[in-house]
Amino acid sequence: EAGVTQSPTHLIKTRGQQATLRCSPISGHTSVYWYQQALGLGLQFLLWYDEGEERNRGNFPPRFSGRQFPNYSSELNVNALELEDSALYLCASSPLTTDTQYFGPGTRLTVL
Amino acid sequence: LAKTTQPISMDSYEGQEVNITCSHNNIATNDYITWYQQFPSQGPRFIIQGYKTKVTNEVASLFIPADRKSSTLSLPRVSLSDTAVYYCLVGGRMDSSYKLIFGSGTRLLVRP
Repeated sequence: EAGVTQSPTHLIKTRGQQATLRCSPISGHTSVYWYQQALGLGLQFLLWYDEGEERNRGNFPPRFSGRQFPNYSSELNVNALELEDSALYLCASSPLTTDTQYFGPGTRLTVL
Repeated sequence: LAKTTQPISMDSYEGQEVNITCSHNNIATNDYITWYQQFPSQGPRFIIQGYKTKVTNEVASLFIPADRKSSTLSLPRVSLSDTAVYYCLVGGRMDSSYKLIFGSGTRLLVRP
């Protein structure tokens, strides 16, 4: 069974640009979660999508947004990039019947 | 959502049993306890989940006392490859406000 996949692996942007990160959940999983992990720090919850709708978001400004598509894949968009947005962005998915989250390898975003 | 407290770091030697304890005094009735393992620049990997008493799988055991205010992850006969950060999480997807909060985790260093 294929795991959660994320693309791109690495992304380099300059301040003020926009970044789009993509996530494909495990087949059959309907929920997708996004997390930010700055270097050496813990994971910060960003967004939770389920059945195409945003269910909850963490304490991040509105320039962090996303969506979930009918096939349950998801995009995370970060507008007006700032230097402190540089981090590993992790996507996780879970099935309808359990809270257990399965994580992808992450996208390393670097803002110059 | 219940907050968790774990030791910041632990040291061990190959072949020893390692026990990492997590405190979660405000755990709710419907909350599960989940442990993840994370290597540098990778997504967290699910280790084990439990609700009460003891749970065991092929890699670890989870001990949960009757009051559920703490839990202990037990790793038998650790090896160098078990060096990682271990996260304890408490929560459940019971309503639309669900989100998974990762604490700072416990950095386990296994020495030869």
